[in-house]
Amino acid sequence: AQTVTQSQPEMSVQEAETVTLSCTYDTSENNYYLFWYKQPPSRQMILVIRQEAYKQQNATENRFSVNFQKAAKSFSLKISDSQLGDTAMYFCAFMNPRTSGTYKYIFGTGTRLKVLA
Amino acid sequence: GAVVSQHPSRVICKSGTSVKIECRSLDFQATTMFWYRQFPKKSLMLMATSNEGSKATYEQGVEKDKFLINHASLTLSTLTVTSAHPEDSSFYICSASLIAGGVQFFGPGTRLTVL
Repeated sequence: AQTVTQSQPEMSVQEAETVTLSCTYDTSENNYYLFWYKQPPSRQMILVIRQEAYKQQNATENRFSVNFQKAAKSFSLKISDSQLGDTAMYFCAFMNPRTSGTYKYIFGTGTRLKVLA
Repeated sequence: GAVVSQHPSRVICKSGTSVKIECRSLDFQATTMFWYRQFPKKSLMLMATSNEGSKATYEQGVEKDKFLINHASLTLSTLTVTSAHPEDSSFYICSASLIAGGVQFFGPGTRLTVL
């Protein structure tokens, strides 16, 4: 069974600093998608970044970037120049349409990030 | 683009009554919609996957007779909590996906409180 592990329940970072959130997953598949979502106090889930497993290049979106290590099954999120608005719960998600038949996600347990002023 | 709405955002009901939650994709056609439940400070728990025009696929342990899902069109799915009880109180979130890339776009959630 595919699993997603986020080993850091809580983290904090000073404003303007850089922080890395870890995510590992377990799968025997070769093609799949990985996502990071942010859930701020409003509880609206917001897509942060998406990575396709067949692409070796790490995805980036402005201050957010990932370190995708396929062999190690690791998908960490780096937030540069942290801002107070980055304070949120961050969820890592895995999706493989071939085995699920749909676009069902497997979510990690989340990391609560607090950006300190 | 890719906006998903949910209605209502909050609902309080008496034990034994039924509550309907609507999920709409506003600017795209979603072949698949998902319903999640989230407990405080926990991850999202998938309840069911809903495809337009067909029966929903429920996750193990989710009572299909209690959580009725209807996906009548490519832009609307509804979740009805039947004969609600206090233990059904939770935060319910829907999402919708496009075929390409499998990205799910989430609604803002509905907080259900059953008295």
